Amino acid sequence: GENVEQHPSTLSVQEGDSAVIKCTYSDSASNYFPWYKQELGKGPQLIIDIRSNVGEKKDQRIAVTLNKTAKHFSLHITETQPEDSAVYFCAASPDNYGQNFVFGPGTRLSVLP
Amino acid sequence: DVKVTQSSRYLVKRTGEKVFLECVQDMDHENMFWYRQDPGLGLRLIYFSYDVKMKEKGDIPEGYSVSREKKERFSLILESASTNQTSMYLCASTSLSEAFFGQGTRLTVV
Repeated sequence: GENVEQHPSTLSVQEGDSAVIKCTYSDSASNYFPWYKQELGKGPQLIIDIRSNVGEKKDQRIAVTLNKTAKHFSLHITETQPEDSAVYFCAASPDNYGQNFVFGPGTRLSVLP
Repeated sequence: DVKVTQSSRYLVKRTGEKVFLECVQDMDHENMFWYRQDPGLGLRLIYFSYDVKMKEKGDIPEGYSVSREKKERFSLILESASTNQTSMYLCASTSLSEAFFGQGTRLTVV
């Protein structure tokens, strides 16, 4: 089955710097890759996703890149702000259906003022 | 505003107790899920349901059961709680590709 690895497990950056979180997956059939953000005391929330027919997607300060050949995808956050501090989860799925999501172990991002 | 609501934020139960975790969604979603969240392990799927009275095992169903009597409500049941079930439990429902999560229930079994 699918296996998703995520690095780093913790990341500290200064406010205004960029942050990059990387995930690798094992199943070449995976074609949908969402990223979720979990703030303290809350459930995870979708922040951006990408499908296999696209190499990059941007939404304001966040972007996701996908390399299907190498089976890895990355989350990029630019101009980080304190409210970006959270745990971020990547996931991979062969389709759009939630029961097939396999999540990475998570990255705790701390943005230092 | 879409909502998935879990009945308790924190629970403390004794070993051997039967424990019910309740989840309600107001989005008329057919698919609902229960995950367990542990440090370094991410979110692991316990059970999911794609319709009323239907249930499917996820990756770690042992020690758990579920109930879905109404479309909006999905319950996770620990038949006889054990200390290794101490964890954060997250309920979710999905509209096609996006999963909407509840705020989580932190369960401690003593």
